Amino acid sequence: NAGVMQNPRHLVRRRGQEARLRCSPMKGHSHVYWYRQLPEEGLKFMVYLQKENIIDESGMPKERFSAEFPKEGPSILRIQQVVRGDSAAYFCASSPILGDTQYFGPGTRLTVL
Amino acid sequence: KNQVEQSPQSLIILEGKNCTLQCNYTVSPFSNLRWYKQDTGRGPVSLTIMTFSENTKSNGRYTATLDADTKQSSLHITASQLSDSASYICVVTTNTGNQFYFGTGTSLTVIP
Repeated sequence: NAGVMQNPRHLVRRRGQEARLRCSPMKGHSHVYWYRQLPEEGLKFMVYLQKENIIDESGMPKERFSAEFPKEGPSILRIQQVVRGDSAAYFCASSPILGDTQYFGPGTRLTVL
Repeated sequence: KNQVEQSPQSLIILEGKNCTLQCNYTVSPFSNLRWYKQDTGRGPVSLTIMTFSENTKSNGRYTATLDADTKQSSLHITASQLSDSASYICVVTTNTGNQFYFGTGTSLTVIP
């Protein structure tokens, strides 16, 4: 059973471009969580999704950021018109049921030039 | 305000020594508390999970304790190894299940 997979592992964008981060949860997991980790800081919750539904997006900036978890395919975190402050590591985690242990992916490191 | 605070912020110990990391929380209503280990450049990996009724739980050389009355948890690492060098993160979940509060972590460095 493969773990949580994220791609790309590293992403470089220029200011104003769009960034798309993908997360494939562990097999059998229908709950996906996205976190952002700024350099030298702890993980910050962004959004929690269950298949085709956003359950809690209280940690996600209101503008430029969006997330989806379609019926088929990976979860996508989309950042439009990136700015330098968006540079961070973005981690995805999945769990089989709500409140259960979350299994984290290796992260996507976004660098905005 | 729901918060999770960890101490110390960073710690350096000699290989083979023991150490204890602290986590204090004000999260309510409490469901469970997890300790994660995050190696540099990697995603966090779960070490232990503790519910309200559990006082202590071990996973190899890692032993976690929980005092739900004082809202404190500790992670004790015995006979440290170089591979224990990592950030250790305390995470508290509310009983609604979808509210996770992360501490900022303790950075542990084990030196030979």
